[in-house]
Amino acid sequence: GAGVSQTPSNKVTEKGKYVELRCDPISGHTALYWYRQSLGQGPEFLIYFQGTGAADDSGLPNDRFFAVRPEGSVSTLKIQRTERGDSAVYLCASSPGTSGSNEQYFGPGTRLTVT
Amino acid sequence: DQQVKQNSPSLSVQEGRISILNCDYTNSMFDYFLWYKKYPAEGPTFLISISSIKDKNEDGRFTVFLNKSAKHLSLHIVPSQPGDSAVYFCAASARGSQGNLIFGKGTKLSVKP
Repeated sequence: GAGVSQTPSNKVTEKGKYVELRCDPISGHTALYWYRQSLGQGPEFLIYFQGTGAADDSGLPNDRFFAVRPEGSVSTLKIQRTERGDSAVYLCASSPGTSGSNEQYFGPGTRLTVT
Repeated sequence: DQQVKQNSPSLSVQEGRISILNCDYTNSMFDYFLWYKKYPAEGPTFLISISSIKDKNEDGRFTVFLNKSAKHLSLHIVPSQPGDSAVYFCAASARGSQGNLIFGKGTKLSVKP
């Protein structure tokens, strides 16, 4: 079956611009996560959705970052007034949301470069 | 302060031999541990996991060992194959969390033919 997909695969933007990154989770997965991976680091948690609601947004670095999942499926990560330090690979993951297993299935990521 | 540590940035192993990747953690609330493999330009792929109520989990060539008293886990790959060459991430989630994972920095494994 289809895995997690993310678009675009690459995004180059100028400092100060607004960007949106899209994630299509595996069909039927209720849990959706966003992570950010900088060079030489492991993925860092940003936000978690259970259904339509953001159950945990404690990883968002500041109020320039926002994410939505209005229909409980596709999610969009939005970054306002981008800064060079936002450059990273943004990963989305989904899981069935059932208890007892925290296996998360990752998409290929969006590489964001802020110039 | 890193809660999940992978102290070896890289590891080189001969094909057919055992690969042992190590991971240490500091948070005693962690109760579920996972290993992911990552190829360049791809997202991490789930490999194997272990709950804190177990000390070993095996799946084919992959075995994960958990030593709770030492807060240490390891991934054994036997026999290693060239296709195993990738970056391996150790990850953990905490009891009571929403399942968000805390990752180590990764270990780059190279398996030489």
